[in-house]
Amino acid sequence: DTGVSQDPRHKITKRGQNVTFRCDPISEHNRLYWYRQTLGQGPEFLTYFQNEAQLEKSRLLSDRFSAERPKGSFSTLEIQRTEQGDSAMYLCASSFLGQGSGYTFGSGTRLTVV
Amino acid sequence: SQQGEEDPQALSIQEGENATMNCSYKTSINNLQWYRQNSGRGLVHLILIRSNEREKHSGRLRVTLDTSKKSSSLLITASRAADTASYFCATDTTDSWGKLQFGAGTQVVVTP
Repeated sequence: DTGVSQDPRHKITKRGQNVTFRCDPISEHNRLYWYRQTLGQGPEFLTYFQNEAQLEKSRLLSDRFSAERPKGSFSTLEIQRTEQGDSAMYLCASSFLGQGSGYTFGSGTRLTVV
Repeated sequence: SQQGEEDPQALSIQEGENATMNCSYKTSINNLQWYRQNSGRGLVHLILIRSNEREKHSGRLRVTLDTSKKSSSLLITASRAADTASYFCATDTTDSWGKLQFGAGTQVVVTP
C-alpha cells in the first residue's frame, strides 16, 4: 500500500457533462475526505466518510455534487452538469481517527471544464 | 470562510536562510497541523502540534503554538531550494474533531 491514489490525474470535460473521480485510500485508514482547491487558495472541505458512513455533506457545493464510499473502501465524487466554475483540483485524503498523525493526501484530480 | 490565515502570503529567501511563517485561527482547536504542497501536487503532512503543546521540532522544522493568541508559527531552518513550496496550516477544531480546515497558505521560494 503506497498511499492514497486518485484517478484520473487530469480530466477535461465539456460544460454540461458529468464527471466521476475515484479515490483509493490507505487501507488501514477509516476516514476519507474530499477537498477542492482553486489556484492560490487552500483546500476547501467538501465531505467526509468514516468507514462507509458519510458524516457531513453540507459543504458539497451544490446538489450537482455527490460522493459515495461503498463498503467503506474506495470513494467516488461525481459532479453532474459541470460548469466552468467547477474547474479546480479535487483532492482526496485519508486518516485514521484517533491516531493523531495527520492526513495522507492523494495527488489530486485536476478538472478543467471547457 | 477559512479557519486559518497564514502570514505572509509569499516569502522569498536564499538558501541557508531561515523561513518563518505564521498562522492565526479563530476557534478552539484539538490540534494544528502544517502541510507542504509542491506545485500541482497533493499536500504532504509535516507536523502536528496538540493544543496542550507549545513547541515541537521535526528535523529542520520548528512549530510553536500559542492558544491564548490563537496563533502558530512554522520555522524552517537552513532552507534549501527543495523547500520551495506552499505551506498551509490546518486546524482540527473542537467542534468538528478530525475534520481539518485549511488556510490560504504561504508561498515560499528559496533561491540557490
